[in-house]
Amino acid sequence: DIHLTQSPSFLSASIGDRVTVTCRASQGIGRYLTWYQQKPGKAPKLLIFGASNLHSGVPSRFTGSGSGTEFTLTINSLQPEDFATYYCQQLNTYPITFGQGTRLEIK
Amino acid sequence: QVQLVQSGAEVKKPGASVSVSCKASGYSFINYGIHWVRQAPGQSLEWMGWIHAGSGDTKYSQKFQDRVTITRDTSATTLYMQLSSLRYDDTAVYYCARWYGSGNLMTFDYWGPGTQVTVSS
Repeated sequence: DIHLTQSPSFLSASIGDRVTVTCRASQGIGRYLTWYQQKPGKAPKLLIFGASNLHSGVPSRFTGSGSGTEFTLTINSLQPEDFATYYCQQLNTYPITFGQGTRLEIK
Repeated sequence: QVQLVQSGAEVKKPGASVSVSCKASGYSFINYGIHWVRQAPGQSLEWMGWIHAGSGDTKYSQKFQDRVTITRDTSATTLYMQLSSLRYDDTAVYYCARWYGSGNLMTFDYWGPGTQVTVSS
């Protein structure tokens, strides 16, 4: 199975900050990488697919980059509604796997 | 608009089976696949398997291969996930999610709200 490791697991930041979350794959996955945002008690919401493609309706302050084994999610100018848990997912190889999550909290 | 509506919470005893449904609407049902993903309390997401709603073809995670069955009813535009021989660690929220795209643009674009399954004696 392809293992995804997110760093950091926990992030504390302030409104207006820029933050970056990294997702490392245990083997190359091309650009078969998706990022989701999840809030407590809710289903995950699609943010970015194909490593860098912004899903319709997602604010442009979210950007994704990377290929192969290292990927990043950057959020520019944090807004109150961005405080949530973020997951990466690989769809290159079965079984589809997810990272352990990065919890973003208000400082 | 695309909607995935899931069945309600379930409480089951160890060893029993559970069936969770996912009613799809707002898109061409037979042209998409649906995946099932679960999330245990405080844990990450775990992929279980998927079905192509048109062909009925399925693929399961090896972890669940002998316990999970995913089916669909095209006339009702509803998908079903059955998990048997339940254990305490099957307690989780179970989600259905629509498969979208092709090649490296594949993703899960719409998710159901989740169904809480609790295994308790």
